[in-house]
Amino acid sequence: RKEVEQDPGPFNVPEGATVAFNCTYSNSASQSFFWYRQDCRKEPKLLMSVYSSGNEDGRFTAQLNRASQYISLLIRDSKLSDSATYLCVVRLNTGGFKTIFGAGTRLFVKA
Amino acid sequence: NAGVTQTPKFQVLKTGQSMTLQCAQDMNHNSMYWYRQDPGMGLRLIYYSASEGTTDKGEVPNGYNVSRLNKREFSLRLESAAPSQTSVYFCASRDSSYEQYFGPGTRLTVT
Repeated sequence: RKEVEQDPGPFNVPEGATVAFNCTYSNSASQSFFWYRQDCRKEPKLLMSVYSSGNEDGRFTAQLNRASQYISLLIRDSKLSDSATYLCVVRLNTGGFKTIFGAGTRLFVKA
Repeated sequence: NAGVTQTPKFQVLKTGQSMTLQCAQDMNHNSMYWYRQDPGMGLRLIYYSASEGTTDKGEVPNGYNVSRLNKREFSLRLESAAPSQTSVYFCASRDSSYEQYFGPGTRLTVT
């Protein structure tokens, strides 16, 4: 079982739709959580960190459920420019470096 | 402020050839990383450097070597390229909040 799992998609949604992605992680030592965005043939860029109480940044809302070991990303009022791959990232508290990237969920927003 | 730069952007090698991928960051970050990204597998850590003068193996170090030349530069060397090393290679550096900043990537094909 992968340490960080995401539905690869693709999710095809119309402009203006609300779409949600989930990501599950298997290691209970997971300490920090992030969503990165990666455009086609580009480098990943941080979209938002995920805090325990949940957090919002404009049209984007991230939630963390430690008991069930998953994080989610909700995108409201989807724009064409939201089309990208969304990477779930988990940092473990195991001493030394351990950050794990999910394989990503592809989103296509269509006019 | 260029962020993280990588050279070359594209490279084709024959099996057995060697090459060095260069990476530099101008954000004064201590930690730097080399990843490879393959379809459906997410980013996998090859090597990282927590500070100038130190390097450590990541998840997939075999066939690679690294040099942390100074605080700015972290290079990745393939001594004898193999087709299995065909991939997209990303260099990254990390700030104190654990956000990683990626370079634009190197697309490597080994024939």
